[in-house]
Amino acid sequence: GQNIDQPTEMTATEGAIVQINCTYQTSGFNGLFWYQQHAGEAPTFLSYNVLDGLEEKGRFSSFLSRSKGYSYLLLKELQMKDSASYLCAVFTGTASKLTFGTGTRLQVTL
Amino acid sequence: GAGVSQSPSNKVTEKGKDVELRCDPISGHTALYWYRQSLGQGLEFLIYFQGNSAPDKSGLPSDRFSAERTGGSVSTLTIQRTQQEDSAVYLCASSPSSTQYFGPGTRLTVL
Repeated sequence: GQNIDQPTEMTATEGAIVQINCTYQTSGFNGLFWYQQHAGEAPTFLSYNVLDGLEEKGRFSSFLSRSKGYSYLLLKELQMKDSASYLCAVFTGTASKLTFGTGTRLQVTL
Repeated sequence: GAGVSQSPSNKVTEKGKDVELRCDPISGHTALYWYRQSLGQGLEFLIYFQGNSAPDKSGLPSDRFSAERTGGSVSTLTIQRTQQEDSAVYLCASSPSSTQYFGPGTRLTVL
């Protein structure tokens, strides 16, 4: 079966750094995505990791370790607008299957 | 450019009625996906279309659910004899290769 785990909720302070972890056990792996979803809106693409290591894109970075079945999303210089759900998703054995975790709801406070 | 669009944005129906949900993908995207997102749950894969290939229907929860994609573009998801457990947000996504781009979703409420 497919299993993707993320913390349900996190709280962080404006201007701080937060790391959202994702662990996965899936049959097959073709890449890992992070999406941001504001309440009532569609998920928007943040990052895509296929190889091990850190991918940096502005204030957001994503890390992948395939041997550990582990990824994290790092958000720096947090802003109030970063309050949203962050979805970890894995491309599994067949390219069509994108399996999502339940998402981590991040609240940024003053 | 235009993103993925879905209609209607909200649909309220009575138990037992049929509903049709529409998705207009980004022009030129060959792949189209349907997902369902229930309250407090992750996105659940429903069905996948890729070009002219036979669709991957492995995520459809029952035979009351069906989808088609006409001319490799617009897709319609049909739910027959709706049940209260079908209430959810139905999201469509299209993709040119790996990254999927989502529409705003249709919120379906079955009374």
